[in-house]
Amino acid sequence: SYVLTQPPSVSVAPGKTARITCGGQNFESESVHWYQQKPGQAPVLVISYDTDRPAGIPERFSGSSSGNTATLTISRVEAGDEADYFCQKWDTRSDHAVFGGGTQLTVL
Amino acid sequence: EVQLLESGGDFVQPGGSLRLSCAASGFRFTTSAMSWVRQAPGKGLEWVSVIYSGGKTTSYGDSVKGRFTISRDNSRNTVDLQMNSLRVDDTAIYYCVKVGYCSGGSCSAFDYWGQGTLVTVSS
Repeated sequence: SYVLTQPPSVSVAPGKTARITCGGQNFESESVHWYQQKPGQAPVLVISYDTDRPAGIPERFSGSSSGNTATLTISRVEAGDEADYFCQKWDTRSDHAVFGGGTQLTVL
Repeated sequence: EVQLLESGGDFVQPGGSLRLSCAASGFRFTTSAMSWVRQAPGKGLEWVSVIYSGGKTTSYGDSVKGRFTISRDNSRNTVDLQMNSLRVDDTAIYYCVKVGYCSGGSCSAFDYWGQGTLVTVSS
Protein backbone atom coordinates (compact mmCIF):
# COMPACT_ATOMS: atom_id res chain seq x y z
CA SER A 1 0.00 0.00 0.00
CA TYR A 2 0.98 3.60 -0.52
CA VAL A 3 3.13 5.10 2.25
CA LEU A 4 3.99 8.68 3.12
CA THR A 5 7.02 9.12 5.36
CA GLN A 6 7.46 12.05 7.73
CA PRO A 7 10.08 12.66 10.44
CA PRO A 8 8.51 11.99 13.85
CA SER A 9 9.68 15.27 15.28
CA VAL A 10 11.19 18.60 14.35
CA SER A 11 12.45 21.22 16.78
CA VAL A 12 13.06 24.87 16.04
CA ALA A 13 13.78 28.03 17.96
CA PRO A 14 11.28 30.90 17.88
CA GLY A 15 11.79 33.17 14.90
CA LYS A 16 13.62 30.52 12.88
CA THR A 17 12.39 28.43 9.96
CA ALA A 18 10.94 24.94 10.34
CA ARG A 19 10.88 22.49 7.45
CA ILE A 20 8.83 19.31 7.59
CA THR A 21 9.24 16.76 4.82
CA CYS A 22 6.91 14.17 3.39
CA GLY A 23 8.36 11.46 1.18
CA GLY A 24 6.68 8.86 -0.99
CA GLN A 25 6.24 7.69 -4.56
CA ASN A 26 4.56 9.02 -7.67
CA PHE A 27 4.39 12.55 -6.33
CA GLU A 28 4.08 13.91 -9.82
CA SER A 29 0.68 12.29 -10.20
CA GLU A 30 -1.12 13.73 -7.17
CA SER A 31 -0.65 16.79 -5.00
CA VAL A 32 0.15 16.82 -1.31
CA HIS A 33 -2.01 18.50 1.31
CA TRP A 34 -0.87 19.50 4.80
CA TYR A 35 -2.81 19.68 8.06
CA GLN A 36 -2.02 21.20 11.43
CA GLN A 37 -3.42 19.63 14.58
CA LYS A 38 -3.02 21.29 17.95
CA PRO A 39 -3.58 19.27 21.13
CA GLY A 40 -7.23 18.49 21.75
CA GLN A 41 -8.35 20.07 18.48
CA ALA A 42 -9.43 18.86 15.08
CA PRO A 43 -6.96 19.12 12.20
CA VAL A 44 -6.90 22.25 10.06
CA LEU A 45 -5.88 22.42 6.40
CA VAL A 46 -2.85 24.71 6.08
CA ILE A 47 -1.56 23.89 2.58
CA SER A 48 -3.42 22.31 -0.33
CA TYR A 49 -2.19 21.18 -3.76
CA ASP A 50 1.46 21.34 -2.70
CA THR A 51 1.63 25.11 -2.46
CA ASP A 52 -1.80 26.73 -1.99
CA ARG A 53 -2.57 28.46 1.28
CA PRO A 54 -6.27 28.51 2.29
CA ALA A 55 -7.85 31.73 3.43
CA GLY A 56 -6.90 32.61 6.99
CA ILE A 57 -3.62 30.70 7.03
CA PRO A 58 -0.66 33.00 7.72
CA GLU A 59 1.78 33.70 4.90
CA ARG A 60 4.49 32.21 7.10
CA PHE A 61 3.20 28.79 6.01
CA SER A 62 4.29 27.64 2.57
CA GLY A 63 4.60 24.39 0.68
CA SER A 64 6.77 22.99 -2.05
CA SER A 65 7.34 19.72 -3.85
CA SER A 66 10.31 18.37 -5.73
CA GLY A 67 10.79 14.85 -6.97
CA ASN A 68 9.18 12.50 -4.49
CA THR A 69 9.38 14.83 -1.50
CA ALA A 70 6.99 17.55 -0.39
CA THR A 71 8.02 20.12 2.18
CA LEU A 72 6.01 22.29 4.55
CA THR A 73 7.96 25.39 5.53
CA ILE A 74 7.02 27.57 8.47
CA SER A 75 8.92 30.83 8.57
CA ARG A 76 9.42 32.99 11.66
CA VAL A 77 8.12 30.21 13.87
CA GLU A 78 5.98 31.21 16.83
CA ALA A 79 5.10 29.34 20.00
CA GLY A 80 1.55 28.98 18.67
CA ASP A 81 2.81 26.91 15.75
CA GLU A 82 3.63 24.04 18.07
CA ALA A 83 1.46 21.18 16.82
CA ASP A 84 1.39 17.93 14.92
CA TYR A 85 1.58 18.25 11.15
CA PHE A 86 0.30 15.62 8.73
CA CYS A 87 0.76 15.33 4.99
CA GLN A 88 -1.84 13.59 2.83
CA LYS A 89 -2.30 12.41 -0.75
CA TRP A 90 -4.88 10.47 -2.71
CA ASP A 91 -3.73 7.16 -4.15
CA THR A 92 -5.62 7.11 -7.42
CA ARG A 93 -4.81 3.44 -8.02
CA SER A 94 -6.90 2.46 -5.02
CA ASP A 95 -9.11 5.55 -4.58
CA HIS A 96 -7.78 5.79 -1.03
CA ALA A 97 -6.56 8.76 0.95
CA VAL A 98 -3.23 8.27 2.67
CA PHE A 99 -1.80 10.23 5.59
CA GLY A 100 1.77 10.49 6.67
CA GLY A 101 2.56 9.41 10.20
CA GLY A 102 2.73 12.98 11.42
CA THR A 103 5.49 15.27 12.65
CA GLN A 104 5.45 16.85 16.06
CA LEU A 105 6.80 20.39 15.83
CA THR A 106 8.39 21.63 19.03
CA VAL A 107 9.21 25.29 19.48
CA LEU A 108 12.20 25.52 21.78
CA GLU B 1 -19.73 29.36 8.23
CA VAL B 2 -19.09 25.68 7.57
CA GLN B 3 -20.25 23.46 10.42
CA LEU B 4 -19.91 19.70 10.74
CA LEU B 5 -21.51 18.21 13.82
CA GLU B 6 -20.87 14.55 14.55
CA SER B 7 -22.96 12.41 16.85
CA GLY B 8 -23.38 8.77 17.78
CA GLY B 9 -20.07 8.02 19.44
CA ASP B 10 -20.38 5.63 22.33
CA PHE B 11 -18.92 2.75 24.29
CA VAL B 12 -19.56 -0.62 22.62
CA GLN B 13 -18.38 -4.16 23.10
CA PRO B 14 -16.30 -5.99 20.49
CA GLY B 15 -18.51 -7.41 17.76
CA GLY B 16 -21.11 -4.72 18.29
CA SER B 17 -22.44 -2.05 15.95
CA LEU B 18 -22.68 1.71 16.03
CA ARG B 19 -23.97 4.36 13.65
CA LEU B 20 -22.31 7.75 13.46
CA SER B 21 -24.03 10.73 11.94
CA CYS B 22 -22.77 14.09 10.74
CA ALA B 23 -24.98 17.12 10.19
CA ALA B 24 -23.51 19.61 7.73
CA SER B 25 -24.31 23.25 7.15
CA GLY B 26 -22.82 26.42 5.73
CA PHE B 27 -21.84 25.09 2.30
CA ARG B 28 -23.34 23.46 -0.77
CA PHE B 29 -23.60 19.93 0.58
CA THR B 30 -25.00 18.40 -2.59
CA THR B 31 -21.85 19.19 -4.58
CA SER B 32 -19.31 18.20 -1.93
CA ALA B 33 -17.81 14.80 -1.28
CA MET B 34 -17.71 13.81 2.38
CA SER B 35 -15.32 11.61 4.28
CA TRP B 36 -14.67 10.08 7.67
CA VAL B 37 -11.19 10.14 9.19
CA ARG B 38 -10.31 8.60 12.54
CA GLN B 39 -7.59 9.01 15.12
CA ALA B 40 -6.82 6.39 17.73
CA PRO B 41 -5.70 7.73 21.12
CA GLY B 42 -2.22 9.17 20.82
CA LYS B 43 -1.90 8.11 17.20
CA GLY B 44 -1.96 9.68 13.77
CA LEU B 45 -4.79 10.23 11.31
CA GLU B 46 -6.30 7.29 9.43
CA TRP B 47 -8.65 7.75 6.50
CA VAL B 48 -11.79 5.61 6.83
CA SER B 49 -14.14 6.27 3.93
CA VAL B 50 -15.34 8.74 1.31
CA ILE B 51 -18.64 9.22 -0.46
CA TYR B 52 -18.92 11.30 -3.60
CA SER B 53 -21.46 14.08 -3.91
CA GLY B 54 -24.13 12.00 -5.64
CA GLY B 55 -23.89 9.21 -3.10
CA LYS B 56 -23.30 6.41 -5.60
CA THR B 57 -19.52 6.21 -5.39
CA THR B 58 -17.84 5.19 -2.16
CA SER B 59 -14.46 3.94 -1.06
CA TYR B 60 -13.14 2.44 2.16
CA GLY B 61 -9.86 1.96 3.93
CA ASP B 62 -8.57 -1.59 3.99
CA SER B 63 -9.02 -1.92 7.76
CA VAL B 64 -12.76 -1.18 7.64
CA LYS B 65 -13.81 -2.49 4.23
CA GLY B 66 -16.65 -4.99 4.54
CA ARG B 67 -17.52 -3.82 8.06
CA PHE B 68 -18.30 -0.11 7.65
CA THR B 69 -20.79 1.53 5.29
CA ILE B 70 -20.91 5.22 4.45
CA SER B 71 -24.10 6.86 3.21
CA ARG B 72 -25.53 10.33 2.75
CA ASP B 73 -28.87 12.06 2.55
CA ASN B 74 -28.62 15.10 0.32
CA SER B 75 -32.11 16.22 1.30
CA ARG B 76 -31.11 16.44 4.97
CA ASN B 77 -27.43 17.39 4.55
CA THR B 78 -26.27 14.42 6.57
CA VAL B 79 -23.65 11.74 6.15
CA ASP B 80 -23.64 8.54 8.19
CA LEU B 81 -21.15 5.81 8.98
CA GLN B 82 -22.60 2.43 9.89
CA MET B 83 -19.99 0.44 11.78
CA ASN B 84 -20.47 -3.30 12.24
CA SER B 85 -18.32 -6.05 13.72
CA LEU B 86 -16.45 -3.47 15.76
CA ARG B 87 -13.01 -4.35 17.07
CA VAL B 88 -10.92 -2.97 19.89
CA ASP B 89 -8.62 -1.33 17.35
CA ASP B 90 -11.56 0.67 15.98
CA THR B 91 -11.38 2.77 19.14
CA ALA B 92 -10.79 6.33 18.00
CA ILE B 93 -12.12 9.81 17.55
CA TYR B 94 -14.06 9.83 14.29
CA TYR B 95 -14.02 13.07 12.34
CA CYS B 96 -16.55 14.04 9.71
CA VAL B 97 -14.69 15.87 6.96
CA LYS B 98 -15.75 17.91 3.97
CA VAL B 99 -13.91 17.21 0.75
CA GLY B 100 -13.94 19.83 -1.98
CA TYR B 101 -14.70 17.39 -4.75
CA CYS B 102 -13.93 13.91 -5.98
CA SER B 103 -13.58 12.69 -9.53
CA GLY B 104 -12.12 9.62 -11.13
CA GLY B 105 -10.53 8.14 -8.06
CA SER B 106 -8.98 11.31 -6.74
CA CYS B 107 -10.28 13.99 -4.43
CA SER B 108 -9.25 17.41 -3.32
CA ALA B 109 -8.10 18.29 0.17
CA PHE B 110 -10.02 17.75 3.39
CA ASP B 111 -10.94 21.40 3.75
CA TYR B 112 -13.19 21.39 6.83
CA TRP B 113 -13.27 19.07 9.82
CA GLY B 114 -15.81 18.49 12.55
CA GLN B 115 -14.76 18.29 16.19
CA GLY B 116 -15.10 14.52 16.23
CA THR B 117 -17.01 11.90 18.16
CA LEU B 118 -15.37 9.26 20.33
CA VAL B 119 -15.96 5.58 19.72
CA THR B 120 -14.67 3.21 22.37
CA VAL B 121 -14.70 -0.53 21.73
CA SER B 122 -13.91 -2.58 24.80
CA SER B 123 -15.09 -5.57 26.73
